[in-house]
Amino acid sequence: DSGVTQTPKHLITATGQRVTLRCSPRSGDLSVYWYQQSLDQGLQFLIQYYNGEERAKGNILERFSAQQFPDLHSELNLSSLELGDSALYFCASRAAGSSYNEQFFGPGTRLTVL
Amino acid sequence: SQKIEQNSEALNIQEGKTATLTCNYTNYSPAYLQWYRQDPGRGPVFLLLIRENEKEKRKERLKVTFDTTLKQSLFHITASQPADSATYLCALPMEYGNKLVFGAGTILRVKS
Repeated sequence: DSGVTQTPKHLITATGQRVTLRCSPRSGDLSVYWYQQSLDQGLQFLIQYYNGEERAKGNILERFSAQQFPDLHSELNLSSLELGDSALYFCASRAAGSSYNEQFFGPGTRLTVL
Repeated sequence: SQKIEQNSEALNIQEGKTATLTCNYTNYSPAYLQWYRQDPGRGPVFLLLIRENEKEKRKERLKVTFDTTLKQSLFHITASQPADSATYLCALPMEYGNKLVFGAGTILRVKS
């Protein structure tokens, strides 16, 4: 158990819908990273938050957005869903004080868009 | 941008043998390199980190080497066991900022 929690574990929805994925980092960690993993793309970085502020963006679509709340949990919002958005979504937290960005991943949310 | 290449074909080995996985990268030289293990449907698990000034790092049955001239890291599992079967990912920091780029991973299957 990494200490990072994600809910829900599975999500099945239809095209055009909107969903929210939730992540809580390990106790004491301030950074949250979101990743998308699909069979043909591997693990792709989406966005990073640090202590409530956006720090970096990767290949995140405009239909996707995220935020980190004062209690440090984070939510990833996916809207106008398309079939191609079906994937595993992971969040990870970075060890506080780490200079080398070791990341601890949650169990993931499996999103299926029908 | 950094590109990472890992063996796309699965590596099948016999229990007790040493498994060797390769991670090659292009472009800039990273300050460090990381290896993760991922089981099907689960999140990656951090295994080892090696810094650019370290040639080799060991942790129990795991050994990682880092050759900045060849732009390559090798990941070894000695006395492999069926429980070592998983996908192994290497990851490097992007040139700027605290983001990681992950390789596609190599599937390791250890047969008893």
